[in-house]
Amino acid sequence: DTAVSQTPKYLVTQMGNDKSIKCEQNLGHDTMYWYKQDSKKFLKIMFSYNNKELIINETVPNRFSPKSPDKAHLNLHINSLELGDSAVYFCASSQMGTSGYNEQFFGPGTRLTVL
Amino acid sequence: AQSVTQLDSQVPVFEEAPVELRCNYSSSVSVYLFWYVQYPNQGLQLLLKYLSGSTLVKGINGFEAEFNKSQTSFHLRKPSVHISDTAEYFCAVRDRAGTALIFGKGTTLSVSS
Repeated sequence: DTAVSQTPKYLVTQMGNDKSIKCEQNLGHDTMYWYKQDSKKFLKIMFSYNNKELIINETVPNRFSPKSPDKAHLNLHINSLELGDSAVYFCASSQMGTSGYNEQFFGPGTRLTVL
Repeated sequence: AQSVTQLDSQVPVFEEAPVELRCNYSSSVSVYLFWYVQYPNQGLQLLLKYLSGSTLVKGINGFEAEFNKSQTSFHLRKPSVHISDTAEYFCAVRDRAGTALIFGKGTTLSVSS
């Protein structure tokens, strides 16, 4: 039973194309995230949704557009792909707690390669 | 704003030796602290976390970390490492009002026989 799943696992595409990455969690969490891990393995938050509402939107090119059709899904659409978009994209989820602490569970990642 | 500094980018160590991976953070507010491990070509797995209370926290796979507020550090330790501990280790911080994790740049632990 995969808690946080992402599709596809690998994505190789040409510059200028548009692609989507999908994320699903079956943990019943209300908050989901996208993180980007660059070639130097540095991880950075991109977006976060709570109950389908965008709550974090870091400085990310507007070619990146997240969409949350429901609490269990958070997709990432990328327009006009550039070489610099090559990275591993991780989805994560957590449950907002009254104490404020919410452990984040990560998906296996999607390795995007732009040629 | 918070930031995390992992002082060593690579730590090579022999099997059964002790290891310490260093992490310092900066924040003007109270934070939660985490260590995550990433095995090759896999996602991140939580090793341990500090929320409050005892400053020595124990995690999975025999790892432990000590929170030092005065030195703003959260170093990760293991008394005897195995080959299977070879992985990337990330220290992360989150302020108590926030949601997103702020990660350090990672430390590559390489265990050899």
